[in-house]
Amino acid sequence: KNEVEQSPQNLTAQEGEFITINCSYSVGISALHWLQQHPGGGIVSLFMLSSGKKKHGRLIATINIQEKHSSLHITASHPRDSAVYICAVGWGNTPLVFGKGTRLSVIA
Amino acid sequence: KAGVTQTPRYLIKTRGQQVTLSCSPISGHRSVSWYQQTPGQGLQFLFEYFSETQRNKGNFPGRFSGRQFSNSRSEMNVSTLELGDSALYLCASRGAGGIYNEQFFGPGTRLTVL
Repeated sequence: KNEVEQSPQNLTAQEGEFITINCSYSVGISALHWLQQHPGGGIVSLFMLSSGKKKHGRLIATINIQEKHSSLHITASHPRDSAVYICAVGWGNTPLVFGKGTRLSVIA
Repeated sequence: KAGVTQTPRYLIKTRGQQVTLSCSPISGHRSVSWYQQTPGQGLQFLFEYFSETQRNKGNFPGRFSGRQFSNSRSEMNVSTLELGDSALYLCASRGAGGIYNEQFFGPGTRLTVL
């Protein structure tokens, strides 16, 4: 069974700071997803990665398949980035396995 | 394109009752997955349906069941509710391509068991 660990669990940052959230998993995967959950529950998919790096606006996600590790970076953080960020991994048609999430608060 | 919808959004039940939750996926999506989210356990997979067949099942007791209809709409049922079933229940749909496809989540049904 794949174990997914995220760090840190909680993160408070000042507006404008560069933020990094980490995700490690124990078993080889075919894809990793980064999700964002705002207060109230809605979940939005940010990235799907199977290798390398992806960028969308101020968000950058990287994955190192050999090291079983992924990072989500937020540049020039803003209070609207405050949310829970969740990493999820899977293989083929198997169900996603989720990390416990990282709660980010960005203070103006 | 309409997103994933779930009904009802909020539900209050008492122990021993049963509940049925509904999920309508994005048009064209044949895969629907259900998840339970609690503060202590995070997101946990319940089951996945694809073209009316259960493709994967999580580690939940038999009180949790689901089905999918020919139009891809899905329902999940929880019988003999327990206090610990209080949670946010989310469904998500995705297109063909399995794990490589983005999952689109519904807003969730918040179930409170008293």
